Amino acid sequence: QKEVEQNSGPLSVPEGAIASLNCTYSDRGSQSFFWYRQYSGKSPELIMSIYSNGDKEDGRFTAQLNKASQYVSLLIRDSQPSDSATYLCAVNGPTGGGADGLTFGKGTHLIIQP
Amino acid sequence: ETGVTQTPRHLVMGMTNKKSLKCEQHLGHNAMYWYKQSAKKPLELMFVYNFKEQTENNSVPSRFSPECPNSSHLFLHLHTLQPEDSALYLCASSLMGGLSSYNEQFFGPGTRLTVL
Repeated sequence: QKEVEQNSGPLSVPEGAIASLNCTYSDRGSQSFFWYRQYSGKSPELIMSIYSNGDKEDGRFTAQLNKASQYVSLLIRDSQPSDSATYLCAVNGPTGGGADGLTFGKGTHLIIQP
Repeated sequence: ETGVTQTPRHLVMGMTNKKSLKCEQHLGHNAMYWYKQSAKKPLELMFVYNFKEQTENNSVPSRFSPECPNSSHLFLHLHTLQPEDSALYLCASSLMGGLSSYNEQFFGPGTRLTVL
């Protein structure tokens, strides 16, 4: 049974600070890792994907992957009140050319305090 | 229309009703998915379709019946549901193969289903 673990929060961060969100996964064969943002009452929106160990930066977002520790993180720099949402970590199995469903964590509720 | 669309956005049905959810993707993708999101539970995969062929049924009860007539359309047929089936049902699509084989999935807005 694949599992993805996240701290449910809420995680409260002052505006302008760095928000750090963490995720661990159980399946060592996992190859692709994703962060989704979900506003209340809305569907998940893909904000970052990462496939190799190390850091990947996109604007104010940085995803970090450590496959040896089975750990994925998301950093949000210069946090804005509009970043307040639930952040979902999702993991995909080995891509043998076929489509795989994603395994999601329960999400971390992030609150950016003005 | 752009992205992934779903209809209806809200649905209320009785336990004896039969209804269908519709999903359409305008992204040129070749894989489509149904997920269920219940309160206080992680998003759960229900079905996977790859090039119109069902490749995964994640132990979903038979009262949920998927249909994928082509790579752009996906349906979820519902019959004799239970109140605990009330949830947000999300459709997603992705592009498999070629340079983009990492399965980035894009979600539709979802159908909020209430079973009375």
